[in-house]
Amino acid sequence: GDSVTQMEGPVTLSEEAFLTINCTYTATGYPSLFWYVQYPGEGLQLLLKATKADDKGSNKGFEATYRKETTSFHLEKGSVQVSDSAVYFCALSEPRGFKTIFGAGTRLFVKA
Amino acid sequence: DSGVTQTPKHLITATGQRVTLRCSPRSGDLSVYWYQQSLDQGLQFLIQYYNGEERAKGNILERFSAQQFPDLHSELNLSSLELGDSALYFCASSSRDRANEQFFGPGTRLTVL
Repeated sequence: GDSVTQMEGPVTLSEEAFLTINCTYTATGYPSLFWYVQYPGEGLQLLLKATKADDKGSNKGFEATYRKETTSFHLEKGSVQVSDSAVYFCALSEPRGFKTIFGAGTRLFVKA
Repeated sequence: DSGVTQTPKHLITATGQRVTLRCSPRSGDLSVYWYQQSLDQGLQFLIQYYNGEERAKGNILERFSAQQFPDLHSELNLSSLELGDSALYFCASSSRDRANEQFFGPGTRLTVL
């Protein structure tokens, strides 16, 4: 069945460092791909999405590109801030949103 | 604020008991999803309802049940509670136009003692 694998955390970075969180997926069809973020004590929030191959999703300085050839959707940010400390979830959704599959989440700590 | 509300925020109960968690989706959203988040198992999809009908089922135990009412709010019922049921329970909703973009509520933290 469909699945999402993301890099294990925690990831600890200093402020202004470059961030990459790897995500790969397995799917039989053509899913949409997402990154959600969960700040401490809150629910998940949609961060960005891409619906087809080569699409780039971006929001709040974060970017991810839908790579069908490598079945990947890695999250990147050029300069992280302390306020980016959170848990990041990669996810895929089957067509028509009947089911969304989440990765295990990657916790990011950013030090001042 | 996602527009999804969940009550209660915290719930503490004993093993063997039964509890009901409530969720109100964003205005106009027809789909409601329930998830369980625990430290050791991450975010687990439990069940989805669309306009009152069950649409998809995930790793939901037989002791758990859910329903979506005509006003579109949903309830998750957990019975014969065990220590291992202690977790955060999230509700999410999505619209018909953007069915795969989910908006999450703040969650209910359940503690079973």
